[in-house]
Amino acid sequence: DTEVTQTPKHLVMGMTNKKSLKCEQHMGHRAMYWYKQKAKKPPELMFVYSYEKLSINESVPSRFSPECPNSSLLNLHLHALQPEDSALYLCASSHPIGQGYEQYFGPGTRLTVT
Amino acid sequence: DQQVKQNSPSLSVQEGRISILNCDYTNSMFDYFLWYKKYPAEGPTFLISISSIKDKNEDGRFTVFLNKSAKHLSLHIVPSQPGDSAVYFCAAENNDYKLSFGAGTTVTVRA
Repeated sequence: DTEVTQTPKHLVMGMTNKKSLKCEQHMGHRAMYWYKQKAKKPPELMFVYSYEKLSINESVPSRFSPECPNSSLLNLHLHALQPEDSALYLCASSHPIGQGYEQYFGPGTRLTVT
Repeated sequence: DQQVKQNSPSLSVQEGRISILNCDYTNSMFDYFLWYKKYPAEGPTFLISISSIKDKNEDGRFTVFLNKSAKHLSLHIVPSQPGDSAVYFCAAENNDYKLSFGAGTTVTVRA
């Protein structure tokens, strides 16, 4: 099973709303990632969790707040977003460094900020 | 600074023929290279990878070649099928969790 699941598939939110994106994997991976992808562009790394601890934050604005409740789950909490934050948000997982490099991506959440 | 480059934004190939996708990189510290395939509105799907200690890796219809001295890798798809029509991303990693992606090549397989 190489599946990463993400919910919701689509999300429309206003600039004053608070919402959360969820990601789940059951491959035993201990590294999990959030990416943002704009149309016709490659994915851009936002956050990396390794063994449930935040190890990389790519200078992401604080209106995006990640959370890793356990080794299978990853959340991204959204608050006071801007229209330019509209994008496809991708979750990925992999084995930690030294045990493999392939990152497996979920289908993404299409976020529209109005 | 774009460390991974895919200089061909698009490729059109006839069904049954070979598709060759190219990728160049500038960071000599990269030690692992991956190809991903992406359909519209979906997440990238891992296709095939190669370690820097190898020069070739084959998986079914997909073969990746690595030329370290030229800092170049390529993906061969033989034979090309209509379902291969997608965007293909080349990516590289330096043992630090960060995948550097190329800009992608859109492949169209003609019937």
